[in-house]
Amino acid sequence: KQEVTQIPAALSVPEGENLVLNCSFTDSAIYNLQWFRQDPGKGLTSLLLIQSSQREQTSGRLNASLDKSSGRSTLYIAASQPGDSATYLCAVKTSGSRLTFGEGTQLTVNP
Amino acid sequence: GAVVSQHPSRVICKSGTSVKIECRSLDFQATTMFWYRQFPKQSLMLMATSNEGSKATYEQGVEKDKFLINHASLTLSTLTVTSAHPEDSSFYICSAVRPGLAGGVTDTQYFGPGTRLTVL
Repeated sequence: KQEVTQIPAALSVPEGENLVLNCSFTDSAIYNLQWFRQDPGKGLTSLLLIQSSQREQTSGRLNASLDKSSGRSTLYIAASQPGDSATYLCAVKTSGSRLTFGEGTQLTVNP
Repeated sequence: GAVVSQHPSRVICKSGTSVKIECRSLDFQATTMFWYRQFPKQSLMLMATSNEGSKATYEQGVEKDKFLINHASLTLSTLTVTSAHPEDSSFYICSAVRPGLAGGVTDTQYFGPGTRLTVL
């Protein structure tokens, strides 16, 4: 059974700092890995999707890497801003269309 | 990007009543939709897979008679929480799968904004 773990569970940083969120998964037989953002009481916003054959994806200040063999992914956020405060979830896609989610990292960027 | 809506966004009901939540894919047809449940400060837990024209597939531990799912069309799936109790209070999120050109590997899930259910 696929299990996804995210570390840390919570993170508080001052504005402008670069930061890294970690995600690990137990079964490397994945189709892709996706990072989402969730604001309090809201649904999910997809940030980046990395196919199993890819090593990384970039969008603006965000960079996600994938090491499938070791079962790890990182989300790098450059020059963090207060508007980045949210919960970040990673999810892996295994059989069919199923996604398995991690517990999330709650990020607070302090002005 | 693709849009998935949920209605209502928030519902408060008395214990013992039934509540229906709708999930619609607004600009694509989805043969598969998923229903998730999320408790405060926890991740999304998959409840069931909703397949258009056939019975839903429920995850282990999810009562199918408690959480009725109907996927009557390619753009609409409904989740009915029957005889709701306070422990059913949660955030329910649906997603709709837009098929990719290369089958399951390339399809994409789009998430609805969620429905906050509070059972008094």
